[in-house]
Amino acid sequence: EPEVTQTPSHQVTQMGQEVILRCVPISNHLYFYWYRQILGQKVEFLVSFYNNEISEKSEIFDDQFSVERPDGSNFTLKIRSTKLEDSAMYFCASSSRDNYGYTFGSGTRLTVV
Amino acid sequence: EDQVTQSPEALRLQEGESSSLNCSYTVSGLRGLFWYRQDPGKGPEFLFTLYSAGEEKEKERLKATLTKKESFLHITAPKPEDSATYLCAVRAGYSSASKIIFGSGTRLSIRP
Repeated sequence: EPEVTQTPSHQVTQMGQEVILRCVPISNHLYFYWYRQILGQKVEFLVSFYNNEISEKSEIFDDQFSVERPDGSNFTLKIRSTKLEDSAMYFCASSSRDNYGYTFGSGTRLTVV
Repeated sequence: EDQVTQSPEALRLQEGESSSLNCSYTVSGLRGLFWYRQDPGKGPEFLFTLYSAGEEKEKERLKATLTKKESFLHITAPKPEDSATYLCAVRAGYSSASKIIFGSGTRLSIRP
């Protein structure tokens, strides 16, 4: 069964450092998303991406965040200057044209120290 | 504002004891209600999509139903391996890239 792959599974970074989280969505999917989940809280929407541009972003997705699809397979989330409150699980998801189901990756656990 | 509320927050059942989880939603223009299973430290795993009131979907011991205001996830004769957090989400808006909005989930624990 096709999967969304995320790397790394766990990243520890110093406050103020830049991090890039990587995702390989399902190959024939058209829509890409990043979500995050702070420990014990809801899964929260960050950004959606289609046709090489951002479709929608939440209030959380401020100027410190950016997304990119640098080639035909990867989808990345960059946090320019990490803060302690950025510590969370970050999930990438993708969906096909019919949006029948959103497939999520296993996540990257980001710890900012 | 679009909103998803799940109840109960946590549910402990004996193996074989059937029950239901509730998801109530407020959304302008529902374009799909989703159920996911999430194991600790893992990503949400897709279970069902429901589109219209009266629709039902089944998978093994799980059955999801939808009304105009809420959805239920019925668990029949659960086993310990059904222990997980069950998440409900709704898709709203008319953009093809519309996000889904999650509820807080129900933590289900099945005792052997």
